[in-house]
Amino acid sequence: DAGVIQSPRHEVTEMGQEVTLRCKPISGHNSLFWYRQTMMRGLELLIYFNNNVPIDDSGMPEDRFSAKMPNASFSTLKIQPSEPRDSAVYFCASSLTSRETQYFGPGTRLLVL
Amino acid sequence: KQEVTQIPAALSVPEGENLVLNCSFTDSAIYNLQWFRQDPGKGLTSLLLIQSSQREQTSGRLNASLDKSSGRSTLYIAASQPGDSATYLCAVTPGGSYIPTFGRGTSLIVHP
Repeated sequence: DAGVIQSPRHEVTEMGQEVTLRCKPISGHNSLFWYRQTMMRGLELLIYFNNNVPIDDSGMPEDRFSAKMPNASFSTLKIQPSEPRDSAVYFCASSLTSRETQYFGPGTRLLVL
Repeated sequence: KQEVTQIPAALSVPEGENLVLNCSFTDSAIYNLQWFRQDPGKGLTSLLLIQSSQREQTSGRLNASLDKSSGRSTLYIAASQPGDSATYLCAVTPGGSYIPTFGRGTSLIVHP
């Protein structure tokens, strides 16, 4: 398996623009996690899906953030409108079940100017 | 709320040393604890996962121990090598949840 795939790897955008981050989990994994990593706050969980259903989105900062998982092999994290404080590395991770080893993607480095 | 602390924040050692990284957590009612490695500009790679019923796990030169009663875990790296240079993070999954809490990590440099 190719592991967790994320795209794009890097994104530079201007404040106010819409940003869409994409994730393909490992085939057969039923749990998917979106994280954000910054120097100030470390690694924070944004949202957790189980069997394509959002279970916990308490980490989503505000209404500008939304996430979907239309099927078992694809998820998106959207920021609209983006702000400079959204600049961070966004990771997607998947696991066989919710409490097993998580496999992380390479991340998307987002810079909002 | 579970809090996870890793000490030291940074460590620089000469090649060949045995070293210990520490992770402490405030709530002992955990489901499991994981140690991850993160290389610069990369994602996290799972190293070891310890279930709450276990005391330790070993993989090659790595050994992780868990003491729930004291809220501590250690990652022991034997005969360190320059290739071990990375940031090491621990993550604790509470007993009643599925969402891990991550520490801020220990940045390790092993110099030749």
